[in-house]
Formats: sequence, C-alpha cells, structure tokens
Amino acid sequence: KAGVTQTPRYLIKTRGQQVTLSCSPISGHRSVSWYQQTPGQGLQFLFEYFSETQRNKGNFPGRFSGRQFSNSRSEMNVSTLELGDSALYLCASSPKPTNTEAFFGQGTRLTVV
Amino acid sequence: AQKITQTQPGMFVQEKEAVTLDCTYDTSDQSYGLFWYKQPSSGEMIFLIYQGSYDEQNATEGRYSLNFQKARKSANLVISASQLGDSAMYFCASSPHAQGAQKLVFGQGTRLTINP
Repeated sequence: KAGVTQTPRYLIKTRGQQVTLSCSPISGHRSVSWYQQTPGQGLQFLFEYFSETQRNKGNFPGRFSGRQFSNSRSEMNVSTLELGDSALYLCASSPKPTNTEAFFGQGTRLTVV
Repeated sequence: AQKITQTQPGMFVQEKEAVTLDCTYDTSDQSYGLFWYKQPSSGEMIFLIYQGSYDEQNATEGRYSLNFQKARKSANLVISASQLGDSAMYFCASSPHAQGAQKLVFGQGTRLTINP
C-alpha cells in the first residue's frame, strides 16, 4: 500500500510568485491535513480537509489556501511568496478525522529566494 | 488554545539504555489527545504513540510507552532499550479532540542521539 505522496519534493521560487503543492493520501483515506515546518516557528497547522470540505484552518494569512478533490487528493497554494514562506510543508492523511493515527508524507521543501 | 512544551533541545544516550523525553502540555479542553512523532533526517513524521485524555492506562506500543500524568499535565515518552536507529527528532503533540489526530499542536522537539 503506497504511503502519502507529496510532489514536488523540492521547489525553488522567487519572491512574489505563487506555488502549488500536491498531496496524494493513502488509498481510502479521506482526511488530509497540512503543516508548515520552519526552524523558527516549528510545526504549525495550516488546514484540514475531509470529503472536499475544509474543517479547520490554522492562523495563516489569506495567501495560503487549499482544496481537496473528489479523489481525496489535496493541493495547497501560496500566492505572493515571501522569504518567510521557505519551509518544509508536510501533508498527513487518515481514513477519517476521528482516527488517532495520521500518516505523514516526506514533505515538500520550498525555498523562496 | 493548546500549548506543548518540550524542554530538552537535545539528548545523548548510550545504545541499549532507556530514555525519557519530557513533554508538558497546557490546554483548557476537557478532552484531548496526546501524541508522539519521530522525524528522521528524511523529514517524514512517523507516528509512535497516542494517549487520550480519558484513558486511565498509560499507552504502550512496543518499545515506546507514554507516561501520562494528567494532574501534572505531562506526557513523557519512554523508549526502552534504545537503538542506533532511534536517533531522530521527537515531537510531542496535542489535539483538541480525544479522538482524532486533527489540528495537531506540536512542541519544539527534542533531538535524540544514540551513541554506540
């Protein structure tokens, strides 16, 4: 059974550009969450989706957005990139929100220059 | 709001020794979940163990056990018989629900190094 797949693994973007990151959950998992990990702020919750609906959103500016498709794949978008958006973006999936085990992908490392 | 505090930035332990990683939490939620994750250098977060706030027994998963002391708001991870492969970052996290690993709040992590 394939794990959580995040693409791309590495990305370099310029300030002001926008970026889209993709997350394919484990087959059968319908709940997807996103986290940002930086050396300064640590791991911070971005959003949570279940059955194409955003259930929770973290404390991030509106430049950060996401969505989930009918096949449970999720994307997150960051517009007008800032240097501080450089981070490891992690996606986690679980069968449903009440599961106590979330499976993480290896992340997408975004560098903004 | 929830807050997780891990006071040990780094720990060095001899192989085969037991190790305790500290975690204290602060929450106003009546029910909540506590988690430990391992993050090797590859970046992937690996789930280790979960404790629900209403669980009276301490959780155990193989070599991992969670020492849950509700009154002291602590959820320490104990790794028995450490192995070289245990070297990694370890994160304690909480969820505002007793069921579900959603909207996790993480601590700053502890870097564990196992020496041969």
